[in-house]
Amino acid sequence: DQQVKQNSPSLSVQEGRISILNCDYTNSMFDYFLWYKKYPAEGPTFLISISSIKDKNEDGRFTVFLNKSAKHLSLHIVPSQPGDSAVYFCAASEGRGSSNTGKLIFGQGTTLQVKP
Amino acid sequence: NAGVMQNPRHLVRRRGQEARLRCSPMKGHSHVYWYRQLPEEGLKFMVYLQKENIIDESGMPKERFSAEFPKEGPSILRIQQVVRGDSAAYFCASSQTGTGNTEAFFGQGTRLTVV
Repeated sequence: DQQVKQNSPSLSVQEGRISILNCDYTNSMFDYFLWYKKYPAEGPTFLISISSIKDKNEDGRFTVFLNKSAKHLSLHIVPSQPGDSAVYFCAASEGRGSSNTGKLIFGQGTTLQVKP
Repeated sequence: NAGVMQNPRHLVRRRGQEARLRCSPMKGHSHVYWYRQLPEEGLKFMVYLQKENIIDESGMPKERFSAEFPKEGPSILRIQQVVRGDSAAYFCASSQTGTGNTEAFFGQGTRLTVV
């Protein structure tokens, strides 16, 4: 039962172009969504997050969009840089306020390759 | 300001042995989460602990796996009588508040290989 899905295992883009990574979820109780970046042999590093009460959050080159009706979120990276090449995980947590324990449900990941 | 520290980074065990994985959270963090990543898969939640308490162990296998987070010292994930299927990367994360809108910081993981 995969509650968070990243249907594209890999994505390749040219340096300077936009990278769009997609994520779908099934649980309507998810309240908080996060994107993590992971290099081989390292732990995930937090990138950006969004609460369910918002539809967009921006931080520098990274923007996350949330479409609650479609249960879909996406991460936009613009402009893409070779150093962005990594595995990107979408994650979600359930419940609001104190009922949300911070337990994360992860997608399978998308490997992004940015070509110089 | 050290991040989340996990040790060992790599651990090799023979089938039937015990594996002990350690996690020291970031300074000031009292909430610890353990995740497992099997090859070619995403991270799967295992257990959430606060100091001396297990809050949510819904992702822990029913047998052979246990976790603790004592008042003093690191959190320990213990796997008894390991089998080949336990080979995976085990990640620990810590957070300051244990709520969903607070970033969790991950350690570098322990890669367990069962031979």
